[in-house]
Parts: sequence; structure tokens; C-alpha cells
Amino acid sequence: GQNIDQPTEMTATEGAIVQINCTYQTSGFNGLFWYQQHAGEAPTFLSYNVLDGLEEKGRFSSFLSRSKGYSYLLLKELQMKDSASYLCAVDTGRRALTFGSGTRLQVQP
Amino acid sequence: NAGVTQTPKFQVLKTGQSMTLQCAQDMNHEYMSWYRQDPGMGLRLIHYSVGAGITDQGEVPNGYNVSRSTTEDFPLRLLSAAPSQTSVYFCASRGANPSAAQSSYNSPLHFGNGTRLTVT
Repeated sequence: GQNIDQPTEMTATEGAIVQINCTYQTSGFNGLFWYQQHAGEAPTFLSYNVLDGLEEKGRFSSFLSRSKGYSYLLLKELQMKDSASYLCAVDTGRRALTFGSGTRLQVQP
Repeated sequence: NAGVTQTPKFQVLKTGQSMTLQCAQDMNHEYMSWYRQDPGMGLRLIHYSVGAGITDQGEVPNGYNVSRSTTEDFPLRLLSAAPSQTSVYFCASRGANPSAAQSSYNSPLHFGNGTRLTVT
């Protein structure tokens, strides 16, 4: 089966840095995606990792270690609008993405 | 480009009724899929299709049917609605996928805006 774990909730302060972790055990691996989802809206694509290491995109970075089955999403200079759920998803090789349950991030002033 | 379009946005059904959720994409994507999202359970795959005429089951297919007669459309049919099917439904599509060994880029899923379904 497929297993993808993320913390359920996190709280951070505006202007700070937060790291959201994701661990996975899947039958196949063809890359890991991070999505952002605001309440009542559709998920939107943030980042993709297939090779080990760090991918940086502005205030957002994502890291992958395939040997450890581990990824994290790093959000810098937090803003109130970053309050959302962050979804980790693995492409298991069948083209379908398997999602974790998501991490709800609350940014406080 | 409209992207992925889902209709309706909201729907209330009585137990036993049937209905079809519509999904269309204008990006010429080969791959389309349907997910349901329930509190605390994340997005779960219902059915998917890798091209016209080809469909397959996902993690939670029971009670749902799909067909893919064209590249653009991928409707989801509820045959006999049950309260357990109360959920938010998302349609999503992906473009061509280069081999991960050949490229560090993989096409992401593009989501529709969702359908909030309540079955009473």
C-alpha cells in the first residue's frame, strides 16, 4: 500500500520560517509534489522534486531525500496569506498522485 | 485557456438519486482523474484515465462510474447516491510525462474548482 504522513496542524508567526515535513512509503516513486490549498478552494501546484536535494522558488523551497523517504517544504518570510493547507503528494508511477492528509498552517500576527 | 472546468459547484441529492458530475479540460491533457476530499482524509483517487477510451479504478471506486469518450471530457456518475458520498469532488488533469530518468521536470496536476455534494 501507499503511506504518506504529514503533521495535521502547525502554527507560525508572520515573518518567520516554517518547515512542513512529509514522509512516504510507496510501492513506486516518480517524484514528489507540494500543493497549497486555501479553505474552500482547489489545490494549486507549488513545487516538484524527483532528484535528491533542494529546489528553491522564491519564498518557498522543497527538499527531497529518496533514501530516507522524506521531503520538506520550507516557507520563508511568512505572510498572513500563507495560512492554508499544504499537501504532499507522490507520483507512484501510475500517473496518479497519492496525497497525504495535508498540514493546516495558521500564520499569526 | 479555461483550464479544468467542473460543474455543478454545489449539489444536494436524496439517497438513491443518480447524477453526473461534469469535467472538461482544454489543455489537450492525456491524463484525467477524479478525487474526493473529506475532512482529515486528504484527497483520495476515485477513477482515472490515461487517454480516450481508457479508464481505471483508483483507491475508492465503489459507487462511481466514469467514461472517457473524448480527450476533453471525463464525467463522473453516481449511480445511487448514499450519505457516505457526501464530499467535495475534484477533477484534475496532467499533460505528457517525460521519463523521470530523462528530465527533472514532471507535469503537475491541474485541478478544477470542485463540486460540493451533499447526500441526505
